[in-house]
Amino acid sequence: AQSVTQPDIHITVSEGASLELRCNYSYGATPYLFWYVQSPGQGLQLLLKYFSGDTLVQGIKGFEAEFKRSQSSFNLRKPSVHWSDAAEYFCAVGLLISSGSARQLTFGSGTQLTVLP
Amino acid sequence: DAMVIQNPRYQVTQFGKPVTLSCSQTLNHNVMYWYQQKSSQAPKLLFHYYDKDFNNEADTPDNFQSRRPNTSFCFLDIRSPGLGDAAMYLCATSRYQQPQHFGDGTRLSIL
Repeated sequence: AQSVTQPDIHITVSEGASLELRCNYSYGATPYLFWYVQSPGQGLQLLLKYFSGDTLVQGIKGFEAEFKRSQSSFNLRKPSVHWSDAAEYFCAVGLLISSGSARQLTFGSGTQLTVLP
Repeated sequence: DAMVIQNPRYQVTQFGKPVTLSCSQTLNHNVMYWYQQKSSQAPKLLFHYYDKDFNNEADTPDNFQSRRPNTSFCFLDIRSPGLGDAAMYLCATSRYQQPQHFGDGTRLSIL
């Protein structure tokens, strides 16, 4: 079965500093990978996705992520963090279900990001 | 704007009293999902509808049911809520296997 590991439960960075959130996955085939962000009391917003092709993917809000097959990783990065980026970040693997017509997401346990002024 | 709307945002019910959570979408997506997210945990898929076909996860308790009367609406029914069912319930939609769009969730409290 597929699994997703986010080794950092909580990360604190200063505003303007760079950010990297780690994600490792376990999956037999080339996975479909996602990063979602969740602000307190809100739903999940898709930041970016990787299906195939270029291993460096750009997302919304200035985020990017790099797929590294050899390391089974899909780390999220941002060169300069803003105070509004404080939230919880979830990495997810998507598995095809319903005869390939839908996708089940398996989420990591999340990384809580705190941004210091 | 096209979106996924969950009502109510906050729901309080009594132990054992049935409760229904609502989700509607204007995206015209054919797949709708219900997730349970307990405090400080990742969302966990309960079930999904592919069009009218209901698909239950193996470990979803029998206490949880769902209805999808049409493309736009999907309901989560909890027949006899226990204290362990207190959580955020997230509805999501997708067009086939495309990325899922989430609503803002309903936070359920059990008294």
